[in-house]
Amino acid sequence: AIQLTQSPSSLSASVGDSVTITCRSSQAVSSVLSWYQQKPGKPPKLLIYGASNLETGVPPRFRGSVSGTDFTLTISSLHPEDFATYYCQQFDNKFHTFGQGTKLEIK
Amino acid sequence: QVQLVQSESELKKPGASVKLSCTGSGYSFNSYPINWVRQAPGQGLEWMGWINTHTGNPTYAQGFTGRFVMSLDTSASTSYLQISSLEAEDTAVYYCAREIRSYNYMNLWGRGTTVTVSS
Repeated sequence: AIQLTQSPSSLSASVGDSVTITCRSSQAVSSVLSWYQQKPGKPPKLLIYGASNLETGVPPRFRGSVSGTDFTLTISSLHPEDFATYYCQQFDNKFHTFGQGTKLEIK
Repeated sequence: QVQLVQSESELKKPGASVKLSCTGSGYSFNSYPINWVRQAPGQGLEWMGWINTHTGNPTYAQGFTGRFVMSLDTSASTSYLQISSLEAEDTAVYYCAREIRSYNYMNLWGRGTTVTVSS
């Protein structure tokens, strides 16, 4: 099964900052990687699919990219509502895998 | 309204069984797979498996075979997750999520069902 390694596991930033979260896949299977945002007590919310496609209604300050087996989520100009936990997710051969999550906190 | 509605919270004793439901509405239920995802308190998302809503065939993640059974009632647009021989470690929020097969992402989530296993 695929292993997804997210980094960092947590980070602190200020409103207006830009941050980057990385998800490294153990296998170069495909670009079918998605990013989700989760706030406490809520289900995950899809942000990005297919590595770089923005889900409808998600602000363009969220951007996904890929280089080899390294996938990145960049959030530009952080808004107060962006402080949450972020997960990557990949699919391969009938099985899904989630990264362990990155908690983005206000500095 | 396109949504997945999950059953209410459950409090169970160790060794008991529980059957959770996930009902889709506002879309063609049997056109999209349903995934089940577990989140233990303070922990990350753990994929449990998915069920083909057209054939009823389930696929389980490693660690979720045996005590976990996914099933369907297509006439009710509902997927079920039954967990038997409950353990304290099964205490978690269980989410169902609709999958879009073209890119294998989950774009519609239920609000989650909290299962608490305690004596």
